[in-house]
Amino acid sequence: QVQLLQSGAEVKKPGSSVKVSCKASGGSFRTFGISWVRQAPGRGLEWMGRIIPTRGVTNTAPKFQDRVSLTADESTATAYMELRGLISDDTALYFCARLGEPLPDEDYWGQGTLVTVSS
Amino acid sequence: AIQMTQSPSSLSASVGDRVTITCRASQGIRNDLGWYQQKPGKAPKLVIYAASKLQSGVPSRFSGSGSGTDFTLTISSLQPEDFATYYCLQKYGNPPSFGQGTKVEIK
Repeated sequence: QVQLLQSGAEVKKPGSSVKVSCKASGGSFRTFGISWVRQAPGRGLEWMGRIIPTRGVTNTAPKFQDRVSLTADESTATAYMELRGLISDDTALYFCARLGEPLPDEDYWGQGTLVTVSS
Repeated sequence: AIQMTQSPSSLSASVGDRVTITCRASQGIRNDLGWYQQKPGKAPKLVIYAASKLQSGVPSRFSGSGSGTDFTLTISSLQPEDFATYYCLQKYGNPPSFGQGTKVEIK
């Protein structure tokens, strides 16, 4: 059973950066994509990007391409999402997830990391 | 980018009611669509994958249908634990995209 464990809540100043981690256990980490999804308070789900750890291949939604970096450390089975240039609208719950990989019913989510951007 | 239009945005229903939620894709996505249930502060939970397949462990009162551009999630007899927000997700196109969500509330 795949489990994804995310880092704890963060409070950041506007203009700064945040790096959220997602440690995988119980399954193959290297070859399947890890996606990042966020949810602002009272809002819907928003897909941000995906990384395939073994290849370092990333795919980022156009909205985030200039501000998001997705990386992965195969030795610790940990994926990272760094968001730069934070603004108040980036206040959200950030999830990592394996969305239906390799098969569509293999769907796993982290518990979420709350990032609050406030001066 | 493929847009997913989900309706209604919210609905009020009673226990035992039949509930239907729809998602329409801006272009064909074959059957590459999943439905998620989310409760406040929790990660989404997959209930239907490949448009019509019931995820393991999900009650059979949940069903999905559709292909191409129009998809439906049906709850045949709403139970108290089903009150939540539901989202569709397409992964056919890049980037993947969610519907806006449907909040199912107690009437």
